[in-house]
Amino acid sequence: ETGVTQTPRHLVMGMTNKKSLKCEQHLGHNAMYWYKQSAKKPLELMFVYSLEERVENNSVPSRFSPECPNSSHLFLHLHTLQPEDSALYLCASSQRGSGNTIYFGEGSWLTVV
Amino acid sequence: GQQLNQSPQSMFIQEGEDVSMNCTSSSIFNTWLWYKQDPGEGPVLLIALYKAGELTSNGRLTAQFGITRKDSFLNISASIPSDVGIYFCAGQLQGAGSYQLTFGKGTKLSVIP
Repeated sequence: ETGVTQTPRHLVMGMTNKKSLKCEQHLGHNAMYWYKQSAKKPLELMFVYSLEERVENNSVPSRFSPECPNSSHLFLHLHTLQPEDSALYLCASSQRGSGNTIYFGEGSWLTVV
Repeated sequence: GQQLNQSPQSMFIQEGEDVSMNCTSSSIFNTWLWYKQDPGEGPVLLIALYKAGELTSNGRLTAQFGITRKDSFLNISASIPSDVGIYFCAGQLQGAGSYQLTFGKGTKLSVIP
């Protein structure tokens, strides 16, 4: 139990579907992240929210849309995805000003068919 | 982008043996982190290093922040089967306002009972 909870753990969706990934952190942190992990690639940072404001967006396609309604919750809204978007999507959180050590959730396995 | 080389890419060792892996960077980092990822799960933080020269242990694991700030190593002593997994190093650039960590590609560890 890392204090960062992601749902669903597994998701299969068609290219025309709209779905969302949810993340909740119970660590009292003030920054939250979405990472993408594909086979044989380093972890790729997608989005960062600090104090509920998006502070980084690493050239992620618009078919991925993040939402951070409060400091404990983070969503990743998915629509019209492509098969190459199939990957493990990891949520993480950290406390800025305390070394920024980030803690990951267990991940959501996404398969786009 | 920043380069972070992690080696070896994979290791097969006998149970009870010691293991060593390392990461080197082309840039100076002010934080080094080591994570372990089990299949189908998110990375779990093992050790965090915040100061050049720092040597930190967590049970059978020991990690050091290189004095040049450009490298770090992780040692595992007396390996056991549950040490199997992928180990990632991650670093944060010195003086960066960015929230971005740079991750290595991982070292896949297999332990033969």
